[in-house]
Amino acid sequence: DIQMTQSPSSMSASLGDRVTITCQASQDIGNNLIWFQQKPGKSPRPMIYYATNLANGVPSRFSGSRSGSDYSLTISSLESEDMADYHCLQYKQYPRTFGGGTKLELK
Amino acid sequence: QVQLTESGPGLVHPSETLSLTCTVSGFSLTGYSVYWVRQPSGKGLEWMGRMRYNGDTSYNSALKSRLSISRDTSKNQVFLKMNSLQTDDTGTYYCTRASFDYWGQGVMVTVSS
Repeated sequence: DIQMTQSPSSMSASLGDRVTITCQASQDIGNNLIWFQQKPGKSPRPMIYYATNLANGVPSRFSGSRSGSDYSLTISSLESEDMADYHCLQYKQYPRTFGGGTKLELK
Repeated sequence: QVQLTESGPGLVHPSETLSLTCTVSGFSLTGYSVYWVRQPSGKGLEWMGRMRYNGDTSYNSALKSRLSISRDTSKNQVFLKMNSLQTDDTGTYYCTRASFDYWGQGVMVTVSS
């Protein structure tokens, strides 16, 4: 199975900060990665598909990038509504596997 | 519009079998695959398995011995059955379309005596 190592597991940041969350894949997944946002009591919401493509309706302050086996989600200027948990998922092969998640809190 | 709705018991006793139903609307189960995903309370997400559009299934290897996914296309329903439940199976269970664009609201399952 492909392991997705996500970091950090939690972080606190201030409004307006630039925030980056990373997932490292244990095997080549191409760009077959999704980033999800999840707020308390809600289902996950896909934010970025295929590592770099914004999902419909997602603000442009969100972006995705890749460097080798490392995939990153960046929020360019943090807003209060961005406080949530973030998860990565690889869909290169079965079983699909998620990263461990990142809890993003306000400093 | 596309909707997925999970249903099932909120409480299951240890060693018993969990049975959940995902009822879909707005798309056909013969055209789209459906996944089950779970989330232990306060923890991350875990992909459990899939019902492919052609009726094939695949499972998370860690759950494979306990898990079964089936469907009834005439009722637009996908079923999950997992046996030998333990307390660490407590959490929220979701069904989602395989493109992850639409999710159910989730059903909370507590395993307790």
